[in-house]
Amino acid sequence: RKEVEQDPGPFNVPEGATVAFNCTYSNSASQSFFWYRQDCRKEPKLLMSVYSSGNEDGRFTAQLNRASQYISLLIRDSKLSDSATYLCVVKFAGNMLTFGGGTRLMVKP
Amino acid sequence: AAGVIQSPRHLIKEKRETATLKCYPIPRHDTVYWYQQGPGQDPQFLISFYEKMQSDKGSIPDRFSAQQFSDYHSELNMSSLELGDSALYFCASSLRGRTSGELFFGEGSRLTVL
Repeated sequence: RKEVEQDPGPFNVPEGATVAFNCTYSNSASQSFFWYRQDCRKEPKLLMSVYSSGNEDGRFTAQLNRASQYISLLIRDSKLSDSATYLCVVKFAGNMLTFGGGTRLMVKP
Repeated sequence: AAGVIQSPRHLIKEKRETATLKCYPIPRHDTVYWYQQGPGQDPQFLISFYEKMQSDKGSIPDRFSAQQFSDYHSELNMSSLELGDSALYFCASSLRGRTSGELFFGEGSRLTVL
């Protein structure tokens, strides 16, 4: 079983839709959580950190549920430019990040 | 602003050959990471360096080695290349202690082993 698991998708949604991704992690000692975005054949880029109290950045909302060991990402009012792979990332012990397999989002006109 | 620079961007090698990838982190970043991303796969952590010392070790094969030099650039050396080593190799850098934990990735070096 992978340490960080995501539904690979693809999630095909129309413009303006709301879409949510979940990610589960296996190590209860996980320290920090992030969502990264990766466009096709490009490098991953930080989308947002995930705080225990939940956090929002414009159309994006991230939440953490430590008891159930999952994090979520909600995207409201989807844009065509949101089409990408969204990587759930967890920091365990040490300073390295462990990536989930990614969830692919396709926003269609 | 300066980003993480990787070279070469593309590399083609044959089985059993060797390859060296280079990474120049963002100035003043003290930590460098190497990740391997196979086709359709998520990035897999290989190894990291903090202040020129190995920090964490992931799924790096024994055929690979890496080091960080006095100017903070890092090199990933790969020997006895196998077909399965074909992948996109990302280098990332960060400043340890930053609460954001953000890693800044280079554009990657694409290795093809024939």
